[in-house]
Amino acid sequence: EVQLWESGGGLEQPGGSLRLSCAASGFTFSSYAMSWVRQAPGKGLEWVSAIGSSGRSTYYGDSVKGRFTISRDNSKNTLYLQMNSLRAEDTAVYYCAKAVLDWETLDVWGKGTTVTVSS
Amino acid sequence: QSVLAQPPSVSAAPGQKVTISCSGSSSNIGNNYVSWYQQLPGTAPKLLIYDNNKRPSEIPDRFSGSKSGTSATLGITGLQTGDEADYYCGTWDSSLSVVLFGGGTRLTVL
Repeated sequence: EVQLWESGGGLEQPGGSLRLSCAASGFTFSSYAMSWVRQAPGKGLEWVSAIGSSGRSTYYGDSVKGRFTISRDNSKNTLYLQMNSLRAEDTAVYYCAKAVLDWETLDVWGKGTTVTVSS
Repeated sequence: QSVLAQPPSVSAAPGQKVTISCSGSSSNIGNNYVSWYQQLPGTAPKLLIYDNNKRPSEIPDRFSGSKSGTSATLGITGLQTGDEADYYCGTWDSSLSVVLFGGGTRLTVL
């Protein structure tokens, strides 16, 4: 069964850092691009970042560019999101998702991990 | 405000049909594929439609997608109470090099 499992969320102060992880199983992780998508409380989906299958290509949304870094370890079947200089508006559920065919076609999603940025 | 415009809400009776629109521009919908996602309350999003009008094998044919110019449409026929959810369109923007989601549409089955 294809599965994604996020971890690393929690409560962090403004200006702090968190590293999210997404463990993948049930598919050849190294063959697929991956994305992070977040959802603030009561709000819609916001795409955060994407990374190509090899890790050479990365893309970021304007709201996180320069603060967040996406990476992957294909030997560990794991996707990461390093989040620095956290702001209150980064508070959200963060989902990792597997891309297929195109960047916007996200066919498998994890259950999400909650990040709360508050003093 | 989202670059991709969706109506905030739609409603229809059980058994009826509903359509949800998603409007963009030439840099996104006009020149890229559109996907649609369903998010049931308290759950992660689920892929419903990809490449404008294709369905993953597990998605029933009550769900359909289409695209014309810079707009896309999700159609749902034979509405069921279990279809009550938030629906999002998504596409790539070639000018911005980002994935865009619409603001979401809440479907109520009366």
